[in-house]
Amino acid sequence: GQNIDQPTEMTATEGAIVQINCTYQTSGFNGLFWYQQHAGEAPTFLSYNVLDGLEEKGRFSSFLSRSKGYSYLLLKELQMKDSASYLCAVRVTLRDDKIIFGKGTRLHILP
Amino acid sequence: DSGVTQTPKHLITATGQRVTLRCSPRSGDLSVYWYQQSLDQGLQFLIQYYNGEERAKGNILERFSAQQFPDLHSELNLSSLELGDSALYFCATDSPGYGYTFGSGTRLTVV
Repeated sequence: GQNIDQPTEMTATEGAIVQINCTYQTSGFNGLFWYQQHAGEAPTFLSYNVLDGLEEKGRFSSFLSRSKGYSYLLLKELQMKDSASYLCAVRVTLRDDKIIFGKGTRLHILP
Repeated sequence: DSGVTQTPKHLITATGQRVTLRCSPRSGDLSVYWYQQSLDQGLQFLIQYYNGEERAKGNILERFSAQQFPDLHSELNLSSLELGDSALYFCATDSPGYGYTFGSGTRLTVV
């Protein structure tokens, strides 16, 4: 089966750094995505990793280890507006091609 | 604005009724995915269409159906509505390197 695990909730302080972990067990792995979703809104794209290593984009970085089935999203210099859910998602290509979403990690930022 | 348009944004209806949700992808997008997200739940894949044909089915109830028209817009039909069908319904299209691009969603409330 296909499975994606990430913590349900995390709390961090404004200005700090937080790391959100994601582990996956999938067949046909073809890339990993991170999305941000504010309450009541649509998910929006943050990052994409298809090869091992770190991708940096401003305050956000994402890491992938395909051999370990592991990824993390690193958020630096946290701002109150970063309070949201963060979804780990894996593209799986077998007979068809689809993206499977984790249940998301709700991040609370404290002032 | 993602360019993927969903209407209506909000819908309130009574149990037992039928509603139609509409999604217009961006110009050139051939695929449409439908997702359901209940309160504090993850994204549940319902169904995928590609260029007018059903491509994949997820956990879609028999009371729900969808279609994609020649102009590539898609409609999701929900019938015999129950209280538990209250949720956010998103459509999405596939963008290489970005994964899915989501519409702003339709919030359905069944009373």
